[in-house]
Amino acid sequence: GAVVSQHPSRVICKSGTSVKIECRSLDFQATTMFWYRQFPKKSLMLMATSNEGSKATYEQGVEKDKFLINHASLTLSTLTVTSAHPEDSSFYICSARDRGRGPGELFFGEGSRLTVL
Amino acid sequence: AQSVTQLGSHVSVSEGALVLLRCNYSSSVPPYLFWYVQYPNQGLQLLLKYTSAATLVKGINGFEAEFKKSETSFHLTKPSAHMSDAAEYFCAVSGSGNTGKLIFGQGTTLQVKP
Repeated sequence: GAVVSQHPSRVICKSGTSVKIECRSLDFQATTMFWYRQFPKKSLMLMATSNEGSKATYEQGVEKDKFLINHASLTLSTLTVTSAHPEDSSFYICSARDRGRGPGELFFGEGSRLTVL
Repeated sequence: AQSVTQLGSHVSVSEGALVLLRCNYSSSVPPYLFWYVQYPNQGLQLLLKYTSAATLVKGINGFEAEFKKSETSFHLTKPSAHMSDAAEYFCAVSGSGNTGKLIFGQGTTLQVKP
């Protein structure tokens, strides 16, 4: 089956630093990837849609200058949390769409837990 | 606009009992519907999906769901709960325009008691 890998799975950083999270589709090409944020005991909030070779589309209320998304190839998208603050601490999950499968079906990474001290 | 409502944020059943997790959707176009499961500190795994074929959909781990257009529902069931079924379950609807974007419900925590 389709596999999506996220790295790192856990990261702790100091306030004011930047953190990069990688999302890779290992056995398929993903022209579109999605980045979600999940708060404790809450559902997934879509942050942005990442399209290979073009700018990401951000959801309303998500700061694009704070959450930088780059989709440089068909198998890699990155999320960079810039100048991180404690309120950015969360579980970030990426997902990728396999063009060869049905609409809407996404494959999810294992998630990355960010803790900002 | 599309949306999903999961009734009951927490469901508790005994091992061996029927599992029923409720999901109602709202969509102006024929929807694609999904159930995902999430174990602690992990990503989401697809349980099953409805994409306008058979209304009764069978998924992994013994789960199934029935699409009922008249009730705008897509409830998830399993005849006999197992301890390993304890997890968070999310119902989702595919966004309009075939963008691949998923809109998730609030999630239901399933607890299985021995």
